[in-house]
Amino acid sequence: DSGVTQTPKHLITATGQRVTLRCSPRSGDLSVYWYQQSLDQGLQFLIQYYNGEERAKGNILERFSAQQFPDLHSELNLSSLELGDSALYFCASARSGDTQYFGPGTRLTVL
Amino acid sequence: GIQVEQSPPDLILQEGANSTLRCNFSDSVNNLQWFHQNPWGQLINLFYIPSGTKQNGRLSATTVATERYSLLYISSSQTTDSGVYFCAGLSQGGSEKLVFGKGTKLTVNP
Repeated sequence: DSGVTQTPKHLITATGQRVTLRCSPRSGDLSVYWYQQSLDQGLQFLIQYYNGEERAKGNILERFSAQQFPDLHSELNLSSLELGDSALYFCASARSGDTQYFGPGTRLTVL
Repeated sequence: GIQVEQSPPDLILQEGANSTLRCNFSDSVNNLQWFHQNPWGQLINLFYIPSGTKQNGRLSATTVATERYSLLYISSSQTTDSGVYFCAGLSQGGSEKLVFGKGTKLTVNP
């Protein structure tokens, strides 16, 4: 158990819908990272938050957004979903610049 | 940019065999991690190893940063070692994103 929690574990929805994925970091970790794992793109960095502020952006679509709340949990919002958004979404946390620990992931299926 | 390449892409072993997985990475990497993704999809931290050698049970890893490669050794493999092994690097210059290789899929047969 990495200490990072993610909910829900599985999500099945239809094209055009909007979903929210939630992540709680390990106690004491200020940084939260979101990654997407798809069959064709592999594991890709989406976005990082540090203590409530966006710190780095990767290959994140404009239809996707994220935020980190004062209690340090983070949410990833995916809207206008397409079939190609089906993937495993991971959240990771770390103390700044340290080892990143990954949550169990949310498996999103868009039908 | 930062690149991380892993070999071999696939590896099939009999239980009890030893194996070596390789990760080559480009310049500007100041952090290397090895992960195991089990068949249920969980990403498990194995090693944080920017340089040097570390051991944890039957697994050990060595990173030679000056030559930009890292090796993961699995000895006396077990069926529970099956899954995909990823290495990932952090780019230097302030970015904290991990860039992953495509992984080595390991199958250990009984």
